[in-house]
Amino acid sequence: KAGVTQTPRYLIKTRGQQVTLSCSPISGHRSVSWYQQTPGQGLQFLFEYFSETQRNKGNFPGRFSGRQFSNSRSEMNVSTLELGDSALYLCASTGAFGNTEAFFGQGTRLTVV
Amino acid sequence: SQKIEQNSEALNIQEGKTATLTCNYTNYSPAYLQWYRQDPGRGPVFLLLIRENEKEKRKERLKVTFDTTLKQSLFHITASQPADSATYLCALAGADGLTFGKGTHLIIQP
Repeated sequence: KAGVTQTPRYLIKTRGQQVTLSCSPISGHRSVSWYQQTPGQGLQFLFEYFSETQRNKGNFPGRFSGRQFSNSRSEMNVSTLELGDSALYLCASTGAFGNTEAFFGQGTRLTVV
Repeated sequence: SQKIEQNSEALNIQEGKTATLTCNYTNYSPAYLQWYRQDPGRGPVFLLLIRENEKEKRKERLKVTFDTTLKQSLFHITASQPADSATYLCALAGADGLTFGKGTHLIIQP
């Protein structure tokens, strides 16, 4: 079956702009989590959605938001971009919350200039 | 606060030897521990999951141990190959989902 798909793969934005990233989970998976990965901080949890509801949120400012649609596809939005938001953004889908392997997408490489 | 520690320095191993990576954690009582492999510019790929009541898990050349008393997991790759070179991440399953360590960069030298 098809894996987790993230679009776009690469993105360059200017400080102050906003950006929306998309994630399509594996068919049948209802849980989608988002992570930010930077060389210094590693993989940091942003938020997790299950059946269109945000179940958990990491320690990120309110500029980072997300949502999930009825088909389990998820989007995350970052407003008022800062240089420090440059990172690889990864989404992962799981079949059941927390207790099974996470399937990651290829990620979206966001560069803020 | 909860903390996961992996050796942040690169680990250089000669081809054919066993590579051993360490994951230590504090202030956690994880029900599961997972190991992932990540290649540059790509998302992590799941390798193994071990439950709190399991001491050891094997898959082909991979072996994971889980000591809840020491709060430590060891990840072994036997008969290592240059293709095993990658960053290896451990992840703990808790109430807030998966929390990842920063990973250990493994280099297998021919």
